[in-house]
Amino acid sequence: GIQVEQSPPDLILQEGANSTLRCNFSDSVNNLQWFHQNPWGQLINLFYIPSGTKQNGRLSATTVATERYSLLYISSSQTTDSGVYFCAGEFGNEKLTFGTGTRLTIIP
Amino acid sequence: KAGVTQTPRYLIKTRGQQVTLSCSPISGHRSVSWYQQTPGQGLQFLFEYFSETQRNKGNFPGRFSGRQFSNSRSEMNVSTLELGDSALYLCASSPRTGFGEQYFGPGTRLTVT
Repeated sequence: GIQVEQSPPDLILQEGANSTLRCNFSDSVNNLQWFHQNPWGQLINLFYIPSGTKQNGRLSATTVATERYSLLYISSSQTTDSGVYFCAGEFGNEKLTFGTGTRLTIIP
Repeated sequence: KAGVTQTPRYLIKTRGQQVTLSCSPISGHRSVSWYQQTPGQGLQFLFEYFSETQRNKGNFPGRFSGRQFSNSRSEMNVSTLELGDSALYLCASSPRTGFGEQYFGPGTRLTVT
């Protein structure tokens, strides 16, 4: 079946640090999204990025669909960035498949 | 615009009972998708509704069902509850079908005892 793998699984950083989260997928993706799940369980849509690069403030994302990966960059981390980051894609099967997640902890 | 709302937020049920969860999408959004999140299986797609029609379904047993009303509000029903159904149930709305940008509600945490 389709696999969506994220790395690293866990990341602990000092406030102000930069980070790169990776999402690898095993099949061609029709759309690719990044989400942040805060400690209360709320999932927030960060990027809808089937290909190319997008930026929103301190966050940016790049998807290279031909090489089957996407990257999420977080610069100047803040404690509010803590939580779990998920990528998810639709792979032609009309289902949204989520990755395994990266748990990010930002230490003040 | 108001966000996606889900009710109830927390629920405790006993094995064998049934449960109905509700989701109100963002105004103007016609697609509603449901997801189950558990520590063991992660986030899994349940089904998507668009214009009152179920468009696709995940790999869940028939005990899981749903429907969508003409105002785009959606309900999800789980019959004959099992302990393994304990999970966070999330719904998301989107302005279009085909998994465009998904906007999630706060979720309903279901505990089955």
